Amino acid sequence: KAGVTQTPRYLIKTRGQQVTLSCSPISGHRSVSWYQQTPGQGLQFLFEYFSETQRNKGNFPGRFSGRQFSNSRSEMNVSTLELGDSALYLCASSLLGVGTDAEAFFGQGTRLTVV
Amino acid sequence: AQTVTQSQPEMSVQEAETVTLSCTYDTSESDYYLFWYKQPPSRQMILVIRQEAYKQQNATENRFSVNFQKAAKSFSLKISDSQLGDAAMYFCAYQSSGSRLTFGEGTQLTVNP
Repeated sequence: KAGVTQTPRYLIKTRGQQVTLSCSPISGHRSVSWYQQTPGQGLQFLFEYFSETQRNKGNFPGRFSGRQFSNSRSEMNVSTLELGDSALYLCASSLLGVGTDAEAFFGQGTRLTVV
Repeated sequence: AQTVTQSQPEMSVQEAETVTLSCTYDTSESDYYLFWYKQPPSRQMILVIRQEAYKQQNATENRFSVNFQKAAKSFSLKISDSQLGDAAMYFCAYQSSGSRLTFGEGTQLTVNP
């Protein structure tokens, strides 16, 4: 079956702009989680959506937001981009979600560069 | 808050030999899950092995095995018969009920031919 698909793979944006990243989970998976990976901070949890509801949230400013659609696809939006938002953004899908023993499957990520 | 520490930023091993990656974690929970993920240059995180805290038996997946010491809060990964394809960044991760995955800093593994 198809894996987790993230689009686009690469993105270059200017400071102050906004960006939307997309994640299509594995068919049947209802949970989508987002992580930010940077050399300095490592992997940090952004938020999790389950059945269109945000169920968990990490310690990121309100500029980072997300949503999930009825088909479980999720989007992440970052407004007023800052240079420090440059990172690899990873999406993970699982059947049951965070805090369960269901395995999380990761996409290949979206590499965002803010200039 | 839970923390995960990987004290070895880099490790190297000769092909066909064995290497052990270290991981310690801090938690007050009694029920949780521990994982080792591999991130090759393609950047896609791949689950290598998982361990449920309530299970005393150490998990094994082919050439990969763990040494889980619950009292010491230690969770090391042993890779036997190392192969060139094992070269990657390895992340230790923790997850408890109702929480997110917390990752360690990662260990970059190099496999020398």
